[in-house]
Amino acid sequence: KNQVEQSPQSLIILEGKNCTLQCNYTVSPFSNLRWYKQDTGRGPVSLTIMTFSENTKSNGRYTATLDADTKQSSLHITASQLSDSASYICVVSEKGWGYDYKLSFGAGTTVTVRA
Amino acid sequence: GAGVSQSPSNKVTEKGKDVELRCDPISGHTALYWYRQSLGQGLEFLIYFQGNSAPDKSGLPSDRFSAERTGGSVSTLTIQRTQQEDSAVYLCASSLIGNSDNEQFFGPGTRLTVL
Repeated sequence: KNQVEQSPQSLIILEGKNCTLQCNYTVSPFSNLRWYKQDTGRGPVSLTIMTFSENTKSNGRYTATLDADTKQSSLHITASQLSDSASYICVVSEKGWGYDYKLSFGAGTTVTVRA
Repeated sequence: GAGVSQSPSNKVTEKGKDVELRCDPISGHTALYWYRQSLGQGLEFLIYFQGNSAPDKSGLPSDRFSAERTGGSVSTLTIQRTQQEDSAVYLCASSLIGNSDNEQFFGPGTRLTVL
């Protein structure tokens, strides 16, 4: 069964500090991995997407890495801001032909940034 | 519209009642998805539409759940004889076409509470 495990489940950091979230997956065959940010009461919004050949992808203060050999990804938040408080969800896409594919979602890491 | 919209944003119902949840996808998006998000859990796939047809209904948890899509646009998710375990946030997403390379854009969700 395809699985996506995220850690930690939650974390609290001070404004301005950095943090790193982890994602391990067993999805096969692999197509791509996305990190989503979900603010409270809102739908998830895509931050980054990486395919098999990509090792790192940045979006502002968010940097995602991917090691397709070990099936691990991380999301690094630099110089955190209060607006970074949200749930971060790792989503792995199984490679599909035509319309036949499935997404596997991690349970998310809840990040709380405090002033 | 500018994004995926869902209504209502919140729904409280009594056990045994039927509920209808609505999703308006981004204009021009042919693929539409329904997910369920329970507290502390990852998103759970329910059903996928390509146009008005549903090639994948594998995620519907029971025959009390059904969904339809009309005109290749609006979709409704119906839950009959609601149970307390149906309480969750129901998220709708749409993408330009249904393959693993296309980002899914999520709506804000409908929070369903079954008393």
